[in-house]
Amino acid sequence: AQSVAQPEDQVNVAEGNPLTVKCTYSVSGNPYLFWYVQYPNRGLQFLLKYITGDNLVKGSYGFEAEFNKSQTSFHLKKPSALVSDSALYFCAVREHSGGYQKVTFGTGTKLQVIP
Amino acid sequence: DVKVTQSSRYLVKRTGEKVFLECVQDMDHENMFWYRQDPGLGLRLIYFSYDVKMKEKGDIPEGYSVSREKKERFSLILESASTNQTSMYLCASSPSGLAGTDTQYFGPGTRLTVL
Repeated sequence: AQSVAQPEDQVNVAEGNPLTVKCTYSVSGNPYLFWYVQYPNRGLQFLLKYITGDNLVKGSYGFEAEFNKSQTSFHLKKPSALVSDSALYFCAVREHSGGYQKVTFGTGTKLQVIP
Repeated sequence: DVKVTQSSRYLVKRTGEKVFLECVQDMDHENMFWYRQDPGLGLRLIYFSYDVKMKEKGDIPEGYSVSREKKERFSLILESASTNQTSMYLCASSPSGLAGTDTQYFGPGTRLTVL
């Protein structure tokens, strides 16, 4: 069975500092990996995904994530945090396989960027 | 832009009532999903559909049913609402026959309270 873990319920970072939101996954084979963001009182929005190829994936709003197969991680990063980045972030995983397989979401990490 | 709309942002119902949550997408997506979002539990998949009149159970289908009579519309039904179904309900859609690699587009959510 596939699973995804976000070990931090909340991450606090000062505006202008780099930020990292952690995600680790477990699948039987190769993974598809996603990050979504939920701003207050809004639905989830797609940020970026890793399907295959380059391990460093760039997404919306200056975010990027690095796929690390040996550590089974897909951490979300941004070089310089903005107050407007404060939101709830979800990592998600799906295993490569034939046929349909659902995407499994993590429990979410609340990012608080302090002015 | 893809638009996923949900019939209500807030809903208050009484225990035992039959509840309908409606979701409509305007991008001709094959796949549609219903999730519930609870603090500390993240998103959990209730049901999904990969075609008209097709449905598959997700992780927590008990107490719910779904209907997909038209491609653009996916309804979630609580046959007899209970207080433990108080939650935020999120609808999503995605293109293609194999949903795992494709971005999911989310609606704004319906916050359901069952008294």
